[in-house]
Amino acid sequence: DIQMTQSPSSLSASVGDRVTITCRASQDINNYLAWYQQKPGKVPKLLIYAASTLQSGVPSRFSGSGSGTDFTLTISSLQPEDVATYYCQKYNRAPPTFGQGTKVEIK
Amino acid sequence: QVQLVQSGSELKKPGASVKVSCKASGYTFTSYAMNWVRQAPGQGLEWMGWINTNTGNPTYAQGFTGRFVFSLDTSVSTAYLQISSLEAEDTAVYYCARDRNTMLRGVINPVGYWGQGTLVTVSS
Repeated sequence: DIQMTQSPSSLSASVGDRVTITCRASQDINNYLAWYQQKPGKVPKLLIYAASTLQSGVPSRFSGSGSGTDFTLTISSLQPEDVATYYCQKYNRAPPTFGQGTKVEIK
Repeated sequence: QVQLVQSGSELKKPGASVKVSCKASGYTFTSYAMNWVRQAPGQGLEWMGWINTNTGNPTYAQGFTGRFVFSLDTSVSTAYLQISSLEAEDTAVYYCARDRNTMLRGVINPVGYWGQGTLVTVSS
């Protein structure tokens, strides 16, 4: 099975900072990559699919890029409400594996 | 609007069984696959498998065969997860999660909607 590795596992940044999270697949997954946000105590929420397409209603400060094996989620200006754990998920073929998550906190 | 409403928290003893329900509304139930995702305390998301809501055919991820059963009652737009022979390691929040896109043969989709989660606690 294809493994998904996120880095870093956690980060702390200031409000307004640009934040980048990386997700690496162990094999080429084309652009079949989604990003989810899970706020503390809440249900996960789809942010981005097809590596770079923003889900409806998601703020434009979130963006995704990449193809093949290397992907990034960028928050252009970190806001207090962005405190959450972010997960990537590949879905080119079964099983649609999640990354281990990246916890984002405010410094 | 799409809603997935799961049954409430459960406290079970080791060896017992549990059945979690997920009632869907706001869309055509049989047009979208339903996934099940596990999240152990303080841990990440783990895809357990999915069920084709049109045919009822389930697919289980490695590690979720044998004791885990996905089923449907399409008459009430409800999906079920049953876990038998519960172990302490089964303690987790279980989510039902609907695909973002309609089912197409051979196509896997990201998850578009999540139930609120059901906490299953296994303790003697």
